[in-house]
Amino acid sequence: AQKITQTQPGMFVQEKEAVTLDCTYDTSDPSYGLFWYKQPSSGEMIFLIYQGSYDQQNATEGRYSLNFQKARKSANLVISASQLGDSAMYFCAMREDYNTDKLIFGTGTRLQVFP
Amino acid sequence: DTEVTQTPKHLVMGMTNKKSLKCEQHMGHRAMYWYKQKAKKPPELMFVYSYEKLSINESVPSRFSPECPNSSLLNLHLHALQPEDSALYLCASSQGRGSNYEQYFGPGTRLTVT
Repeated sequence: AQKITQTQPGMFVQEKEAVTLDCTYDTSDPSYGLFWYKQPSSGEMIFLIYQGSYDQQNATEGRYSLNFQKARKSANLVISASQLGDSAMYFCAMREDYNTDKLIFGTGTRLQVFP
Repeated sequence: DTEVTQTPKHLVMGMTNKKSLKCEQHMGHRAMYWYKQKAKKPPELMFVYSYEKLSINESVPSRFSPECPNSSLLNLHLHALQPEDSALYLCASSQGRGSNYEQYFGPGTRLTVT
């Protein structure tokens, strides 16, 4: 079974609009971390935002926020006021406390921002 | 400073060549990782070093040989590769092994095996 599922292979959004990228996860470990990374065409994986399983508040980092719904096991990334430079591949990832060496990635969502 | 550097950026090698990829971080991170990424796929973990010791080898073929000379450096030695080994090789580091530690990635080395 997939531990991290990203159901949107591609998304389009107009500049200055908000967009939500979906991520659901599956784990029986009560302690885990959820991460979002951005990968432009240049190849570098850029860390965007982190949410811990015990965090009470949704994480925010500038224009990025994480809509964490623990009961639904979802951790959607919200990008507000999209910019052309946001066009990239976005990966959701999870790290479980019992297996902390591994960062488990989803299949990614390609976001394209148009003017 | 959250920088992980990798050299070279691009590498073309024949199947009989021996080459090395280099990764460096100066953040005092205790864990370092090698990933392989094929086009349009997520990164796949290859090796993990923790406190300069190899802690994970994800059943990687022996033609890939990792080395961690010190806490800041990570090498990947390549020998007798196959064309299917062509990929983006990413290095990453993290402060520790807890679930709350993010991994910082380098820009990657694009490897082509001819």
